[in-house]
Amino acid sequence: EAGVVQSPRYKIIEKKQPVAFWCNPISGHNTLYWYRQNLGQGPELLIRYENEEAVDDSQLPKDRFSAERLKGVDSTLKIQPAELGDSAVYLCASSPRLGAEQFFGPGTRLTVL
Amino acid sequence: GENVEQHPSTLSVQEGDSAVIKCTYSDSASNYFPWYKQELGKGPQLIIDIRSNVGEKKDQRIAVTLNKTAKHFSLHITETQPEDSAVYFCASPNGGYALNFGKGTSLLVTP
Repeated sequence: EAGVVQSPRYKIIEKKQPVAFWCNPISGHNTLYWYRQNLGQGPELLIRYENEEAVDDSQLPKDRFSAERLKGVDSTLKIQPAELGDSAVYLCASSPRLGAEQFFGPGTRLTVL
Repeated sequence: GENVEQHPSTLSVQEGDSAVIKCTYSDSASNYFPWYKQELGKGPQLIIDIRSNVGEKKDQRIAVTLNKTAKHFSLHITETQPEDSAVYFCASPNGGYALNFGKGTSLLVTP
């Protein structure tokens, strides 16, 4: 069974540019999470989806970040415009149901110059 | 929200020795405690987890213990091998089911 797929794996952009990350969760997993991991830290939640509904986005900086999960499967996280402090690894995780184990993808390493 | 503290931040052991990593949590309602292993350039990988209805769980060389009264849980790795070298994270769910992670322990197993 394929794991969580993320692309791109690496992205380097200049500040003020837009960037988007894509995630394909494990088949059948209804719950999808986006986390951000700063260097030397643990992941921190940005947003959680139950099917296509964003049910926890309190930690998402809504002035520049947006996310969508159309049809309740793939998800896209966007930053516009990017700032230097956005440099981090963006991790996607999925879970078969609320409260169950979370499985992480390999992440997208973003560098903002 | 849930606060998870993890110690030590770095740990170096000789191959074959045991390694122990400890975490404390603040929310007494927390009932699920996973441990993740993260290798360089990869996402966190779930290695073991425990729910609050048991005090200990083992999987080959890895074990997790939970003390609900003291609100702490620990990861135990026995007979360590060089391939155990990685960053280990403990976590506990907040009220919304997303995980709050500790800051990680960088484990180095030297041959």
